[in-house]
Amino acid sequence: NAGVTQTPKFQVLKTGQSMTLQCAQDMNHEYMSWYRQDPGMGLRLIHYSVGAGITDQGEVPNGYNVSRSTTEDFPLRLLSAAPSQTSVYFCASSRQGGNTEAFFGQGTRLTVV
Amino acid sequence: GNSVTQMEGPVTLSEEAFLTINCTYTATGYPSLFWYVQYPGEGLQLLLKATKADDKGSNKGFEATYRKETTSFHLEKGSVQVSDSAVYFCALLPNDYKLSFGAGTTVTVRA
Repeated sequence: NAGVTQTPKFQVLKTGQSMTLQCAQDMNHEYMSWYRQDPGMGLRLIHYSVGAGITDQGEVPNGYNVSRSTTEDFPLRLLSAAPSQTSVYFCASSRQGGNTEAFFGQGTRLTVV
Repeated sequence: GNSVTQMEGPVTLSEEAFLTINCTYTATGYPSLFWYVQYPGEGLQLLLKATKADDKGSNKGFEATYRKETTSFHLEKGSVQVSDSAVYFCALLPNDYKLSFGAGTTVTVRA
């Protein structure tokens, strides 16, 4: 079982560059989300999706775009990278419901210089 | 809004010591509560969960009880091992399905 697959694992960007972090899941989960992890702040929700064609903003959406054209894929786009976006990014998926477990990818460590 | 407050770390213990990590929450309605664990270089994985008041979640010797009266979900383990060294996150899932995390507690267990 692949579960949630994120690529790349590591990335270094220059300020102003754009890139897309990929996320794919093979569990047919309706709900997918992106988080960033920063020291002392836990995980903060960037964007989420409750199904194909539906996305919404989380706690820290500025500077990021998402789309959900299929159930399996949920890419995160950085439009113009800034040093403040240096972080570890996690994608997660889960079934809809009040007590369902979220499955996480291995993370992408992004450094913006 | 919804929030999770978690005991600050880092925590350093000797093998076979007792571990407790405090977690309290603020939420509307009746959220589900989770503990996730992150081992070095990996993503988060579910450790245990509880979906209603007085439920006890347990896994791998860890336990936590959903206490609605004190809005708490403290994690405990009676005898830790070196392999329990990790970062532990308390999380809540409210009715809008947006999972909220605490800041995380780094636990190091020494042999």
